[in-house]
Amino acid sequence: EVQVVESGGGLVQPGGSLKLSCAVSGFTFSDSAVHWVRQVSGKGLEWVGRIRTKASSYATAYAASVTGRFTISRDDSKNTAYLQMNSLKIEDTAVYYCTRLSPGVAFDYWGQGALVTVSS
Amino acid sequence: DIVMTQSPASLAVSLGERATINCKSSQSVLYNSYNKLAWYQQKPGQPPKLLIYWAATRESGVPDRFSGSGSGTDFTLTISSLQAEDVAVYYCQQSYSVPCTFGQGTRLEIK
Repeated sequence: EVQVVESGGGLVQPGGSLKLSCAVSGFTFSDSAVHWVRQVSGKGLEWVGRIRTKASSYATAYAASVTGRFTISRDDSKNTAYLQMNSLKIEDTAVYYCTRLSPGVAFDYWGQGALVTVSS
Repeated sequence: DIVMTQSPASLAVSLGERATINCKSSQSVLYNSYNKLAWYQQKPGQPPKLLIYWAATRESGVPDRFSGSGSGTDFTLTISSLQAEDVAVYYCQQSYSVPCTFGQGTRLEIK
């Protein structure tokens, strides 16, 4: 059974930092690109960024709205990906989902999401 | 960036009737004969669920009343006979290039 579990969400002040984790099981994590997608309450889905596999040199890419503030990393030995969020803004408040890009080039496995609230 | 535009924004269909959602990309998402276009269903309080990938391939376990069509820049998700459990928001998404972009969503309700 596939499991994708995000953790590390919470309340943080503007300008602060938070690090989300995404622990997976049930598929070969090291062979999969991992993406982060966020969703503001009641709004649509926004792609945040991705990290590719070792074979692709762990290449990362980010949405313009988070470039320079967010960093995605992974530890294949722990089947875990991370989203380091710095200089957080109120508009970063959202549920953050971790998901896998399947061989069919779509997001097939999703976590339940981690809520990040940026507020003073 | 590739802009994904869905229509309509909301849709009300009677049970057993056909529902059609459209998605248009600002540039072609066709790559080596494969359209890098997926459809997702999202119900309240749940993560998105993959329905269709490569524009027309149904994900394992998805009922066959869901079908996808189209190529290049114009795509359609069709639900052939609407069931009560299909009430949700539907999104298209392209993975042709980063940033991977989603449509704004279509809210599907029962008439």
